[in-house]
Amino acid sequence: DAGVIQSPRHEVTEMGQEVTLRCKPISGHNSLFWYRQTMMRGLELLIYFNNNVPIDDSGMPEDRFSAKMPNASFSTLKIQPSEPRDSAVYFCASRQKSTSGGINEQFFGPGTRLTVL
Amino acid sequence: AQKITQTQPGMFVQEKEAVTLDCTYDTSDQSYGLFWYKQPSSGEMIFLIYQGSYDEQNATEGRYSLNFQKARKSANLVISASQLGDSAMYFCAMREANTGNQFYFGTGTSLTVIP
Repeated sequence: DAGVIQSPRHEVTEMGQEVTLRCKPISGHNSLFWYRQTMMRGLELLIYFNNNVPIDDSGMPEDRFSAKMPNASFSTLKIQPSEPRDSAVYFCASRQKSTSGGINEQFFGPGTRLTVL
Repeated sequence: AQKITQTQPGMFVQEKEAVTLDCTYDTSDQSYGLFWYKQPSSGEMIFLIYQGSYDEQNATEGRYSLNFQKARKSANLVISASQLGDSAMYFCAMREANTGNQFYFGTGTSLTVIP
């Protein structure tokens, strides 16, 4: 199993540009999470999907951020327009369907390090 | 209120000694799961150990053990025989049954193992 795949691994862009981060969850997992990690705010949950449907997007900072999951094997997080304060590491994680008594840990991708100049 | 509280921003431990990283949680659910993750300087998140709310025994995984005190709502991670490679950030997390798949993470504890 290849694990959770994220691309790009590093992204450097200029303020005002559109940024698209991509995630491929582990096959068979039905939940997908987008996190942002910064030194100041730690690890923040931005949005999560169950069966491709957004369940909770209360962590999405503003309208500049949007996330989609068109199918079970792909998700995107888009920032338009990007700002320097969006610089962070963005993690995608996936998880199997919750079962009573099961571990059901989240498996994290390697992250995308975004720098907005 | 914070769902997960980690009160130790930084900890130091001598190599080969044991160390305890604190974690308290807040939930009104009867069914929940507690997790610890390790994040080394390379950035990836590594799952370490899990404790279910109905598990009567403390979870153990090699040198990691979880000191689960349900009445106190604490789930401290104990690392025995610390190694230099244990230096990393450690995150405590919780999954509540009533929120389905949502995870709550603490702010993390930075552990430094001193040779």
